[in-house]
Amino acid sequence: AAGVIQSPRHLIKEKRETATLKCYPIPRHDTVYWYQQGPGQDPQFLISFYEKMQSDKGSIPDRFSAQQFSDYHSELNMSSLELGDSALYFCASRIRAENTEAFFGQGTRLTVV
Amino acid sequence: TQLLEQSPQFLSIQEGENLTVYCNSSSVFSSLQWYRQEPGEGPVLLVTVVTGGEVKKLKRLTFQFGDARKDSSLHITAAQPGDTGLYLCAGANYGQNFVFGPGTRLSVLP
Repeated sequence: AAGVIQSPRHLIKEKRETATLKCYPIPRHDTVYWYQQGPGQDPQFLISFYEKMQSDKGSIPDRFSAQQFSDYHSELNMSSLELGDSALYFCASRIRAENTEAFFGQGTRLTVV
Repeated sequence: TQLLEQSPQFLSIQEGENLTVYCNSSSVFSSLQWYRQEPGEGPVLLVTVVTGGEVKKLKRLTFQFGDARKDSSLHITAAQPGDTGLYLCAGANYGQNFVFGPGTRLSVLP
């Protein structure tokens, strides 16, 4: 069965650079969630999209932006990267209207040096 | 705002012991999910419970959804080192966003 695909799996950037993380949800899933998980910390909700519109916003810094495209894939754009942005970034998808479970991707490990 | 609480936050036990972790809320959810996350990996769905009072078993794991659909518990029998990880509960309602609890970090020592 198809799963949530995230790319890249690993990314190394320097301070003040920009990064783009991509998430391809499971086919038919209309909702995408982004989470940030620092070392030894719990996943923190960043932002979610439903049917290509932002549906909820969590602790996403102003330096970050995200969108969901017509094919339902989502991108998290991160600018002016800081050392503290180093973390695992997870994407999850679900079918919101059917109240189904959310399934997570394997994550992108971002390291800012 | 719907919130989920989990307890304990941390749990360290010896191999072979039993344990229970809890997920509580003041809100009603139409379904509740349990995930396990291992270091560096994405959370993996363990189970979904949808009916008040429902009990589901997954090998040595037993999940229960409270009668009022506001709480859930996860019981592990004869814990093994492979059970080590972060256990997350999440609640969902029709047409609304997913809500995650803060997680229980379980460490099972050999």
